[in-house]
Amino acid sequence: GAVVSQHPSWVICKSGTSVKIECRSLDFQATTMFWYRQFPKQSLMLMATSNEGSKATYEQGVEKDKFLINHASLTLSTLTVTSAHPEDSSFYICSARDWDSGSYNSPLHFGNGTRLTVT
Amino acid sequence: AQKITQTQPGMFVQEKEAVTLDCTYDTSDQSYGLFWYKQPSSGEMIFLIYQGSYDEQNATEGRYSLNFQKARKSANLVISASQLGDSAMYFCAMREGSMGKTSYDKVIFGPGTSLSVIP
Repeated sequence: GAVVSQHPSWVICKSGTSVKIECRSLDFQATTMFWYRQFPKQSLMLMATSNEGSKATYEQGVEKDKFLINHASLTLSTLTVTSAHPEDSSFYICSARDWDSGSYNSPLHFGNGTRLTVT
Repeated sequence: AQKITQTQPGMFVQEKEAVTLDCTYDTSDQSYGLFWYKQPSSGEMIFLIYQGSYDEQNATEGRYSLNFQKARKSANLVISASQLGDSAMYFCAMREGSMGKTSYDKVIFGPGTSLSVIP
């Protein structure tokens, strides 16, 4: 099945530094990837849609200068949390769909998530 | 506005019994898809089952079945013969957007239901 690899699985950084999270589709090409954020005991909130070769589409209320998304190839999207602050501490999870599976009902395949802690 | 509602924040079920997790949704699209995902405490998102808006039969996948009532806009998940490993968060999700390949179609998630299976 389609596999999405996300790295790192956890990271601790100091306030004011930037952190990059990578999301890779290992055995399929993903023209679109999605980045979600999840606070403890809450649901997944869509942050942005990452489009290969073009600018990401951000959801309302998400700061595009804070959360930089780059989708440089058909298998890699990165999320950079810039000038991180403690309130950015959260679980970030990426996902992608294998469109070449040929079906509209193909599910999103998720990475295992990155737990970010900003001290 | 909340598009997906899961009214049961927490549920308990006896091992080997069946359990129904509720999900109602709101959309003006004629074409949409409904998903259920399981999230264990480790954080990964596991796809369980899919129901398309045009599917006439309820979806089934092993011990999982989806009770789809289109007129009522509900898509309840039924887990038969519960196992201890079923203890997890369960999210109902919906995809809106036009059929076929598109560079942008969102999947949004409900608030989730925490299921605990009692031995």
